[in-house]
Amino acid sequence: DVKVTQSSRYLVKRTGEKVFLECVQDMDHENMFWYRQDPGLGLRLIYFSYDVKMKEKGDIPEGYSVSREKKERFSLILESASTNQTSMYLCASTKGTGGSYGYTFGSGTRLTVV
Amino acid sequence: AQSVAQPEDQVNVAEGNPLTVKCTYSVSGNPYLFWYVQYPNRGLQFLLKYITGDNLVKGSYGFEAEFNKSQTSFHLKKPSALVSDSALYFCAVTTSSGYSTLTFGKGTMLLVSP
Repeated sequence: DVKVTQSSRYLVKRTGEKVFLECVQDMDHENMFWYRQDPGLGLRLIYFSYDVKMKEKGDIPEGYSVSREKKERFSLILESASTNQTSMYLCASTKGTGGSYGYTFGSGTRLTVV
Repeated sequence: AQSVAQPEDQVNVAEGNPLTVKCTYSVSGNPYLFWYVQYPNRGLQFLLKYITGDNLVKGSYGFEAEFNKSQTSFHLKKPSALVSDSALYFCAVTTSSGYSTLTFGKGTMLLVSP
C-alpha cells in the first residue's frame, strides 16, 4: 500500500525551539507539499517542492523553511517555534505536473507549542 | 488566484436520507476538482475527482459529485447517508497549468444522526 508517512503524530515543543517535521513517501512522487490545518480556515499551503533541492513558497511561508535533499523526504522546519504555530500539519505528495492525479496525504502531525 | 467556497460549516442529516455538501470554485482555465474526507485526528482521504468528461463522477463509499460549469459548482452527494459518513469534508481545486497546487475550502462537517 502506497504511503506518505509523517514521523510524529503528536509533538509538544517550547516557544523558541527549532522544530523539524519529517515526511517520507514511497511512491517515487516528484511533488511534495506541507499544509497546516486550523479550524475554520481549512488547509493552507506553507511550502511545496517539485524536485529534489527545489522549493516554492505557498500562501503562508513566514516562520517556516523546508528541506528536500532526497526525492522521498520533505522536511518542514520551524526556525523558532511560536504559540501561533500550534496546529495540525499535513504532508502530501503527487506525481507529475498539471494536478490531475490529486494528492496522497500523511496522517498529520499535531504540534503544540507551549 | 483560485479559490473554493464551502458555504456550510456543518450539515446535519438523518441516516437513510440523501445528503448534499456544497462547493463552489473560482479558477482561471479548466478546473480539476476534488473531494476529500477527514476522520478525527487523521489525514485526508481521497473520495473522487473531476478532470474532464462526464459531469457526474462517482467515488468511494457511494459518494458522487456533479460538475456544473455554468454555476462553477461541484456539490458532493449521496443518496442514503450512513452514521459512519460523519466526518469533515473538503472540496479542492487546481488546474492543468504547470505547477498549480491544490487550493482547499474551509471544510464542512457532516453529522449523520441515527
